[in-house]
Amino acid sequence: SQQGEEDPQALSIQEGENATMNCSYKTSINNLQWYRQNSGRGLVHLILIRSNEREKHSGRLRVTLDTSKKSSSLLITASRAADTASYFCATDDNNNDMRFGAGTRLTVKP
Amino acid sequence: KAGVTQTPRYLIKTRGQQVTLSCSPISGHRSVSWYQQTPGQGLQFLFEYFSETQRNKGNFPGRFSGRQFSNSRSEMNVSTLELGDSALYLCASSLLQGGTDTQYFGPGTRLTVL
Repeated sequence: SQQGEEDPQALSIQEGENATMNCSYKTSINNLQWYRQNSGRGLVHLILIRSNEREKHSGRLRVTLDTSKKSSSLLITASRAADTASYFCATDDNNNDMRFGAGTRLTVKP
Repeated sequence: KAGVTQTPRYLIKTRGQQVTLSCSPISGHRSVSWYQQTPGQGLQFLFEYFSETQRNKGNFPGRFSGRQFSNSRSEMNVSTLELGDSALYLCASSLLQGGTDTQYFGPGTRLTVL
């Protein structure tokens, strides 16, 4: 079963705009991770944020975590056509198993 | 350092057959997790192996099994294939047990069951 739920399911923006994707989850977690997947290929790890962290940055990526609301957001600033991909959040449950959400399909138009 | 490799990349089987997929983790990684990805169900956890022991298993029937060798390479087996087993099978390796550490994914094996 899926733990994280991303929204929106699909997002289409113009190059240069910012993209925000959200993830909600149900149980307590130790950490939350964001991954990117280009069509039909393996997942690429983006950021891991631990439950005691509130915000993390990596280049054009900014991730926030609100454990009280059981939610996280991924912000991609100054988007590029190459950012077009599906983005997944993944959480570890009490058994330290990874659970992925359904993903947000991001399309960045040049 | 070489990444996670999976073989074969593509596979076509017919219903009732069995299939074995292979995953070689990043050198030094002891954890290998397997996932099934389908358009309808998304990414679903199959099982994780750590130091040759199955640490946990997802909600899949017993037709799905796996093992890990002493060199951390892992195989996944699906017996009595069904049409619904058509999917992208991804494996991921990590230094520590999967949920506590960054997982590095292979390119996947695309299985088609006819």
